Amino acid sequence: QVQLQQSGPGLVKPSQTLSLTCAISGDSVSANSVTWDWIRQSPSRGLEWLGRTGYTSRWFSDYAEPMRGRVNINSDTTNNQVSLQLSSVTPEDTAVYYCARKNGVFSFDIWGQGIMVTVSS
Amino acid sequence: DIQMTQSPSTLSASVGDRVTITCRASQSISDWLAWYQQKPGKAPKLLIFKASSLESGVPSRFSGSRSGIEFTLTITSLQPDDLATYYCQQYNSYPWTFGRGTKVEIK
Repeated sequence: QVQLQQSGPGLVKPSQTLSLTCAISGDSVSANSVTWDWIRQSPSRGLEWLGRTGYTSRWFSDYAEPMRGRVNINSDTTNNQVSLQLSSVTPEDTAVYYCARKNGVFSFDIWGQGIMVTVSS
Repeated sequence: DIQMTQSPSTLSASVGDRVTITCRASQSISDWLAWYQQKPGKAPKLLIFKASSLESGVPSRFSGSRSGIEFTLTITSLQPDDLATYYCQQYNSYPWTFGRGTKVEIK
């Protein structure tokens, strides 16, 4: 079955870049019918969609407007994984970060286990 | 952005009760609504997609319905394992947005 395994640091200093990876098993990062999305969850903001990447004859990425300019989501076909980079972090970026598969009519049908990231000096 | 307003924020019910959670969209989203269950310390789990379609493996006591821009998640007979927070999410238009959640407690 499809599984997403997330990895990355749980603590990031203010102004630095948060980097997380989501390893995909049981599906291909290049699959045409899905996208690979990043979502975060905090008590203040709830569940917040950050952006996505996918492949339909070419690679594309889309980002939530408030994150544009700070966020980058990439695919790695060699290792079958996607990554999230969020630059210039502040304590407001403290949250649990999830990767998830968006599968057409099913919406988010597969989720990673989540990583709690704290932004603190 | 489309706002999703969920109610109630918390509910307490007994085992065997019928439970209803409502989610209202700020504009039309057709049937593009999903419901998720999240248990403490875990990722959300898809229960219902396209407003009323049950995800494979989800117990049949869960059901979803739509009336205009108002959506309902119903648990026909609440079980102890249903202790969780439930979220709605629209996927009609970007950015995808979620409701703030309904925490279900067992009396």
